[in-house]
Amino acid sequence: KAGVTQTPRYLIKTRGQQVTLSCSPISGHRSVSWYQQTPGQGLQFLFEYFSETQRNKGNFPGRFSGRQFSNSRSEMNVSTLELGDSALYLCASSLSGSSSYEQYFGPGTRLTVT
Amino acid sequence: GEDVEQSLFLSVREGDSSVINCTYTDSSSTYLYWYKQEPGAGLQLLTYIFSNMDMKQDQRLTVLLNKKDKHLSLRIADTQTGDSAIYFCAERMESSASKIIFGSGTRLSIRP
Repeated sequence: KAGVTQTPRYLIKTRGQQVTLSCSPISGHRSVSWYQQTPGQGLQFLFEYFSETQRNKGNFPGRFSGRQFSNSRSEMNVSTLELGDSALYLCASSLSGSSSYEQYFGPGTRLTVT
Repeated sequence: GEDVEQSLFLSVREGDSSVINCTYTDSSSTYLYWYKQEPGAGLQLLTYIFSNMDMKQDQRLTVLLNKKDKHLSLRIADTQTGDSAIYFCAERMESSASKIIFGSGTRLSIRP
């Protein structure tokens, strides 16, 4: 069974631009969560989607948004990029989120904002 | 509050056991996890333990949970060079089951 895939793997953007990252969960998994990893803040939860609905949200500004499609694939969008948004963005999938204790991570998308 | 703490670094000799420690604050945690991250890679789920268990063993890995002290440890027996990585402790809370809180990670380095 294929693992969680994320595209693109690397991205360079300039301040003020917007970016969209994509995540394809493991086949059969319906929950997708997004995390931001930075050297200073560590791993922080962004949000979780299940059945095309945002089920949980972390403490990030409204510039960070996401969505999930009917095939469970998810996208994350960051608008008006800031230098501090440079990070590794990790996506994780699980069968159903709250009732599934195993969460599997993708390799991440490394975003650099210049 | 939500907080998971780990020491930042650990250095062990190849062949010895490594013990990585973690403390958490939320007593309602349902599951506690250990993840491994190698350079340039995502997180690999190593093992997890339910909050109603005290110990779990999986090949070279042993997880110990002390709920009273909110202390979790990961023991890696016969540590190998391939075990060099950052190890993250994480908790999943009953109040927000889809959200996992991670520690800052412990960088394990192996000495020959």
